[in-house]
Amino acid sequence: QLQLQESGPGLMTPSETLSLTCTVSGGSVSSSAYYWGWIRQPPGKGLEWIGNFYYGGSTYYNPSLKSRVTISAGTSKKQFSLRLTSVTAADTAVYYCARPSDRGLSAFDVWGQGTMVIVSS
Amino acid sequence: QSVLTQPPSASGRPGQRVTISCSGGSSNIGSNSVNWYQQVPGTAPKLLLFSTNQRPSGVPDRFSGSKSGSSASLAISGLQSEDEADYYCATWDGSLNGMVFGGGTQLTVL
Repeated sequence: QLQLQESGPGLMTPSETLSLTCTVSGGSVSSSAYYWGWIRQPPGKGLEWIGNFYYGGSTYYNPSLKSRVTISAGTSKKQFSLRLTSVTAADTAVYYCARPSDRGLSAFDVWGQGTMVIVSS
Repeated sequence: QSVLTQPPSASGRPGQRVTISCSGGSSNIGSNSVNWYQQVPGTAPKLLLFSTNQRPSGVPDRFSGSKSGSSASLAISGLQSEDEADYYCATWDGSLNGMVFGGGTQLTVL
């Protein structure tokens, strides 16, 4: 059974670069034909799609974040990562890694539990 | 401001039928299928419906979806207390070349 787990710093200072890792168990980022994605949710607010990544090299990013975001393969075949530069308080959110199903890039059927990132001076 | 528009709240009594709307445009709902997510506060979202009206394994048939033009709807029949959650619609937007979510609807079971 595929499971995802996010990891990264819980607290950041404005202007820093956020780096999060999603570790996949029960599958592999490199061997599957699936995309992998990141979604975030600010406290008390709705869901915001960050982007989708395919190990073969294709990526899609939210236009509002595109200039600051990179989603890429991790250091192992069971990881992929999110990099967000120049963070501000507006980037405070729960960050989820997830996998879209084979029914479309917006149909995420497997989710991690989420990791809270707070940006504060 | 979300690309897809949902009512912020909805409510119903146990056993009733509730519908949640999701309005978009020609580049998103008008040209792509819609997915619905259910999120109990403090937990990760769960895919409730995909391809507008398909239920993943384990989702009760009390949940159904439809689409007409640039709008979609989620219907929940035989409302139960455990259905109390936030519901989000989502789809792909061809103009933005990315995924878009609705702002979410908080469902209260009275």
